[in-house]
Amino acid sequence: GAGVSQTPSNKVTEKGKYVELRCDPISGHTALYWYRQSLGQGPEFLIYFQGTGAADDSGLPNDRFFAVRPEGSVSTLKIQRTERGDSAVYLCASSLQPNTEAFFGQGTRLTVV
Amino acid sequence: AQKITQTQPGMFVQEKEAVTLDCTYDTSDQSYGLFWYKQPSSGEMIFLIYQGSYDEQNATEGRYSLNFQKARKSANLVISASQLGDSAMYFCAMRDDKIIFGKGTRLHILP
Repeated sequence: GAGVSQTPSNKVTEKGKYVELRCDPISGHTALYWYRQSLGQGPEFLIYFQGTGAADDSGLPNDRFFAVRPEGSVSTLKIQRTERGDSAVYLCASSLQPNTEAFFGQGTRLTVV
Repeated sequence: AQKITQTQPGMFVQEKEAVTLDCTYDTSDQSYGLFWYKQPSSGEMIFLIYQGSYDEQNATEGRYSLNFQKARKSANLVISASQLGDSAMYFCAMRDDKIIFGKGTRLHILP
């Protein structure tokens, strides 16, 4: 596709369950970013991939959060034992190279009930 | 450590007037990039403009310009001739490695 694609667009899960959020970046973009955005706040950095490797995962809040990008394109953000505080919009962005503009997907709205 | 500060939580501007949204940043790196994004109520993040730290000219994109003052570490967004459709949240962001965002400014354009 032409833009960054995130699936699902909405996810409702029960507290304690495991969820996976998918991001399909723009073709050829080497850099991929995950953010979490709560209502009325700016995007909060979670993790940044350059190619297949996590260049910076300092934003992951705890060890329940994990992300992979095994082939350097699609990335999956995995959240174990979800908590109500994990409810937010999870945004993914990609850029052609590290020092170029990043383009965002539409986000996945995660609701933990 | 990187830091982005947007001090204006909200602004009200009359349609057709110019508006300046403030952004200051902090980094110890010499090479970095500055971005502005628009987020309407629909939630999508729309890229507006980019300025590299070594760019000598201020970036411009249509009605958007970035007033880059390196010594002051500021990267204000100027929107000329504002339109009702400019009403949205605006985020300043910086990258020296990862991209971090400010808390945003909610802009309201009044008819």
